Amino acid sequence: DQQVKQNSPSLSVQEGRISILNCDYTNSMFDYFLWYKKYPAEGPTFLISISSIKDKNEDGRFTVFLNKSAKHLSLHIVPSQPGDSAVYFCAASALGGGADGLTFGKGTHLIIQP
Amino acid sequence: NAGVTQTPKFRVLKTGQSMTLLCAQDMNHEYMYWYRQDPGMGLRLIHYSVGEGTTAKGEVPDGYNVSRLKKQNFLLGLESAAPSQTSVYFCASRRSDGAYEQYFGPGTRLTVT
Repeated sequence: DQQVKQNSPSLSVQEGRISILNCDYTNSMFDYFLWYKKYPAEGPTFLISISSIKDKNEDGRFTVFLNKSAKHLSLHIVPSQPGDSAVYFCAASALGGGADGLTFGKGTHLIIQP
Repeated sequence: NAGVTQTPKFRVLKTGQSMTLLCAQDMNHEYMYWYRQDPGMGLRLIHYSVGEGTTAKGEVPDGYNVSRLKKQNFLLGLESAAPSQTSVYFCASRRSDGAYEQYFGPGTRLTVT
């Protein structure tokens, strides 16, 4: 039973436009959410996170929105750049960021078209 | 700062062989983790450690053992490798206070034939 779902395996966006990546979760105990970016043959790199006490967090071109009632979060990248082409993973943590690891979605492969 | 490093980067094993994957971090992080990633899947937690000398099971611990004898190192062992353990293995670490983001190593690609 997948607790973190990324329903779009891939997404193609034109350079300069907005990229929106979506993530849904089922576990009500999740209270901290993170987005990771992964290039082929490399480890995931932390991008941005959000606590359940907020509904938005911004860092440069990246913004994460959290809708707790819908158990949904999204990552907005604007403007999209060629270097943003990568696999993006949504991850969640329960119990105030407890030590017991992150639960990951399957990832969305973002392709930025020139 | 090297961050999180993993040794080896690639390995091919025959069924039944054993091996140890080494993870090292130089950020003085308390918590360390081992994940595996299979094609089309997200990362799944194998084992983790909240400090030197302590380990705990994650989501998919069967067939693996771990040890944390030093704070900076976290070892993942396969006693008798099986083809189902063919995967990419990632180690991660994080602080124990406040910041919850984990920092990942580059991964070890393991093939069991």
